[in-house]
Amino acid sequence: SQQGEEDPQALSIQEGENATMNCSYKTSINNLQWYRQNSGRGLVHLILIRSNEREKHSGRLRVTLDTSKKSSSLLITASRAADTASYFCAPASNDYKLSFGAGTTVTVRA
Amino acid sequence: DAGVIQSPRHEVTEMGQEVTLRCKPISGHNSLFWYRQTMMRGLELLIYFNNNVPIDDSGMPEDRFSAKMPNASFSTLKIQPSEPRDSAVYFCASSPGTGNTGELFFGEGSRLTVL
Repeated sequence: SQQGEEDPQALSIQEGENATMNCSYKTSINNLQWYRQNSGRGLVHLILIRSNEREKHSGRLRVTLDTSKKSSSLLITASRAADTASYFCAPASNDYKLSFGAGTTVTVRA
Repeated sequence: DAGVIQSPRHEVTEMGQEVTLRCKPISGHNSLFWYRQTMMRGLELLIYFNNNVPIDDSGMPEDRFSAKMPNASFSTLKIQPSEPRDSAVYFCASSPGTGNTGELFFGEGSRLTVL
């Protein structure tokens, strides 16, 4: 299995602004998943993008995938206080293991 | 559906005591995972079950850790004897597919403190 590496480690933005975070991985994947973790809570699945997809949207979330660069990005538009959380990417390869990196901690200021 | 249910949510125990964490996966899910989260090491996969069978326990730190899944609706993670370095949040997650083909549904975690 492999884990993604999220960048930046931390991000602070004003409410209403957009937040972008990136994920890099090392080997080929079947899909890549993004999760959110609010403080003291479990991880929540946000979006899954398959290796043959380049972009996917879900509400205010936009995910891109560039398999040639082995990278993905997560964009949160029009951020809200409730978006304050840690965000993790999880590249999924041919085994069953889903590994998580250190995450990006996003703080949305009112 | 109530989601993945873990108990207890918080456990404080003394070194040397036995700790049992419990998980009820979402009904109909074939895969179950136990993860451990600490500030130092992040999220670590401890063990993976598929159709109640342990497929990979290579992430289990040592023999003090054991996990069982006696049926499709219940799993336990046991630490005996517990040590202060076992302090962490332990998450159970289930998935409707096999392995990582789809999303994982996480419980709210069990926060363990070993004094």
